[in-house]
Amino acid sequence: LAKTTQPISMDSYEGQEVNITCSHNNIATNDYITWYQQFPSQGPRFIIQGYKTKVTNEVASLFIPADRKSSTLSLPRVSLSDTAVYYCLVVDSSYKLIFGSGTRLLVRP
Amino acid sequence: DTGVSQDPRHKITKRGQNVTFRCDPISEHNRLYWYRQTLGQGPEFLTYFQNEAQLEKSRLLSDRFSAERPKGSFSTLEIQRTEQGDSAMYLCASSLDGDSETQYFGPGTRLLVL
Repeated sequence: LAKTTQPISMDSYEGQEVNITCSHNNIATNDYITWYQQFPSQGPRFIIQGYKTKVTNEVASLFIPADRKSSTLSLPRVSLSDTAVYYCLVVDSSYKLIFGSGTRLLVRP
Repeated sequence: DTGVSQDPRHKITKRGQNVTFRCDPISEHNRLYWYRQTLGQGPEFLTYFQNEAQLEKSRLLSDRFSAERPKGSFSTLEIQRTEQGDSAMYLCASSLDGDSETQYFGPGTRLLVL
């Protein structure tokens, strides 16, 4: 099975850029790496996905190096409402879906 | 269609009782997934369906757990003879074929086994 590692928690202030990295080995070579956001008592919500290099959408950017052993979610100019838990999702070499253990982001005023 | 729905949102039961949860996916999604999430952990995959066919089951899914999706639309997850260790949030998600990483999650059913 693939093993994923994320920081347990991060603190930031409103307006700052936040980068959350997920390390993942033994992932499938042809599947996307995806990030989700989860608020308390809700299901995870899709943020962004990518295969390699850099992907950007209206809420985040995702950086994936060529070896695909990690990925970094970048949240520009965070606000209080970005306080949540962030998960990476990968597909391992046995094609099983593996969520990371999550990074709890706290954005302070 | 407003997204994935799950029912009930909360369930409290006594050890040894059976419980059943329902998930209604987004209507055009033919893939449906069940996950279990405990406090402070990421969702753990339990099983998934493509239409009515159950294609994969995790080793986490003991013989007390059974899932069905009889008409390829809604799904049910039943836990028989519940144990305290079954207490968790049970999440359902759906996706389109060929895009399993982009899943739309329901709000979950929180189960407490006393």
